[in-house]
Amino acid sequence: KNEVEQSPQNLTAQEGEFITINCSYSVGISALHWLQQHPGGGIVSLFMLSSGKKKHGRLIATINIQEKHSSLHITASHPRDSAVYICAVGTHYGGSQGNLIFGKGTKLSVKP
Amino acid sequence: EPEVTQTPSHQVTQMGQEVILRCVPISNHLYFYWYRQILGQKVEFLVSFYNNEISEKSEIFDDQFSVERPDGSNFTLKIRSTKLEDSAMYFCASEAGGSSYNEQFFGPGTRLTVL
Repeated sequence: KNEVEQSPQNLTAQEGEFITINCSYSVGISALHWLQQHPGGGIVSLFMLSSGKKKHGRLIATINIQEKHSSLHITASHPRDSAVYICAVGTHYGGSQGNLIFGKGTKLSVKP
Repeated sequence: EPEVTQTPSHQVTQMGQEVILRCVPISNHLYFYWYRQILGQKVEFLVSFYNNEISEKSEIFDDQFSVERPDGSNFTLKIRSTKLEDSAMYFCASEAGGSSYNEQFFGPGTRLTVL
């Protein structure tokens, strides 16, 4: 059974700080997803990656397949980055991702 | 940009009542999913649907739950006799398919409250 663990559970930062959220998983995956969930509840996909590194604006995601570990970094954090960040992994190989397995999320609060 | 839509955004029902949650996936997507998130907990997989049948379901998805794609566009989740513990946010997702490296697109969710 694949478990997805995230740390930290809660994170408070000052505006402008560099933020790192970590995710580890226990078995092989087809892809890893970083998702953002705002207080209203909706889920938005930030990244999907299976190797290396991806960057969108101030967000960077990295994955180390050998170590079964991924990190999400936010540079120059801003109060609008405040949200829950969720790591999820796809488990299937073939025609689809299959059901995603989710971590518990990291609640980020960025203070002005 | 295409998006997954869900209705209603919030449903309040009495215990024992039937509810139907509706989703319109992105057109030309082939794989469809229901997930739920109980308040304060992580998102959990309920069921996946492909080629007009269930492809996988979790232990949560018992006989009280059913899914169907009645008209080629809507994708529905029915809970036959709701329990208090069914109160949760329910998310629909769709995926294009054809590869194990596809993004899943999530709808905005339906918040179900069972009284």
